Amino acid sequence: AQRVTQPEKLLSVFKGAPVELKCNYSYSGSPELFWYVQYSRQRLQLLLRHISRESIKGFTADLNKGETSFHLKKPFAQEEDSAMYYCALHTSGTYKYIFGTGTRLKVLA
Amino acid sequence: DGGITQSPKYLFRKEGQNVTLSCEQNLNHDAMYWYRQDPGQGLRLIYYSQIVNDFQKGDIAEGYSVSREKKESFPLTVTSAQKNPTAFYLCASRPGAGELFFGEGSRLTVL
Repeated sequence: AQRVTQPEKLLSVFKGAPVELKCNYSYSGSPELFWYVQYSRQRLQLLLRHISRESIKGFTADLNKGETSFHLKKPFAQEEDSAMYYCALHTSGTYKYIFGTGTRLKVLA
Repeated sequence: DGGITQSPKYLFRKEGQNVTLSCEQNLNHDAMYWYRQDPGQGLRLIYYSQIVNDFQKGDIAEGYSVSREKKESFPLTVTSAQKNPTAFYLCASRPGAGELFFGEGSRLTVL
């Protein structure tokens, strides 16, 4: 069955420290993976997708098919990064998206 | 102002009543989705629609119904058969390929 796992419900780091939000997926096909972010009082929005291989707001994520992972990383956390982060899997050939349970990131001053 | 509009933002319902949540988009997107967001459970898919007059059940469709009579609109009805309807509901749309665009959500509370 297709599944997205985010093992950490809450991740607290100090400002300037590195951040890694974990995401593992289970899918037998060719995955399309995304990270979405929800800042306080804002709607859920796309942060980045694995296809684009770009850095957004200093965040990067690399798809590792061998480990079936798509971890989100940032070398130096900022207070404005505090938000809820969701990893999502799009299954090929369908319109279906599967979300993980989310990780709340708190960046402490 | 383009985007996805959900209404109402807050809704209270008595047990045994059906309630309909509105979702409208002016992005000309083909696909539309309804998710339920509960603390600690992330987003769970209720229904999705790829085109007008077509929709598929998601993982938690029981107690919900939808329609897709127009491309712009994808209303969700929470019926009295839904055992635990108090939740935050998110509507999203997607063009042929790419990311999901979300509305601001509707919070339903059953009294």
